[in-house]
Amino acid sequence: AQKITQTQPGMFVQEKEAVTLDCTYDTSDPSYGLFWYKQPSSGEMIFLIYQGSYDQQNATEGRYSLNFQKARKSANLVISASQLGDSAMYFCAMRDQKYNFNKFYFGSGTKLNVKP
Amino acid sequence: EAQVTQNPRYLITVTGKKLTVTCSQNMNHEYMSWYRQDPGLGLRQIYYSMNVEVTDKGDVPEGYKVSRKEKRNFPLILESPSPNQTSLYFCASSLSGGEKLFFGSGTQLSVL
Repeated sequence: AQKITQTQPGMFVQEKEAVTLDCTYDTSDPSYGLFWYKQPSSGEMIFLIYQGSYDQQNATEGRYSLNFQKARKSANLVISASQLGDSAMYFCAMRDQKYNFNKFYFGSGTKLNVKP
Repeated sequence: EAQVTQNPRYLITVTGKKLTVTCSQNMNHEYMSWYRQDPGLGLRQIYYSMNVEVTDKGDVPEGYKVSRKEKRNFPLILESPSPNQTSLYFCASSLSGGEKLFFGSGTQLSVL
């Protein structure tokens, strides 16, 4: 079974608008962490935001926020006020308690295109 | 500057010719790991290491070897590469297993 599912292979958003990238996860462990990474066309992987399973509040980092819905097992990334530089591939990832948090699972990614 | 350094950036080789991709980090991280990225599949973990001389398999370890003789280095070895190992490879490190990953710049490998 897929540990991380990203159902949107590609998305378009108008510059300055907000966009939500979907991510659902599968784990039976009570303790886990969720991550989002950005991969621009240059190829590097850039850490964006982290949410722990016990965190009471949704994580925020500047224009990025994580909409964490534990019961639904979803961890959607919200980018507010999109910029042209946000055009990139976005990956959702998880590590859980099994294997002592040493295994990381990534989704297949969502390619975001920001239109001027 | 804190970084994870991978070399080479690009590599073209032929089937069966042993190769090594090097990875080094200067952050004194205990945890290091290797991933391959393929279109439509995202990143998949090949191997990881919790500390010196401690390594374990990820989800796609077949055809790969690793070693961790020093804390800073974690090379990926393909003893007999095959075309299905053509991929983009990333090395990453973190302070411990649960922390966020710092990635190298990637190695694009083509096996002919």
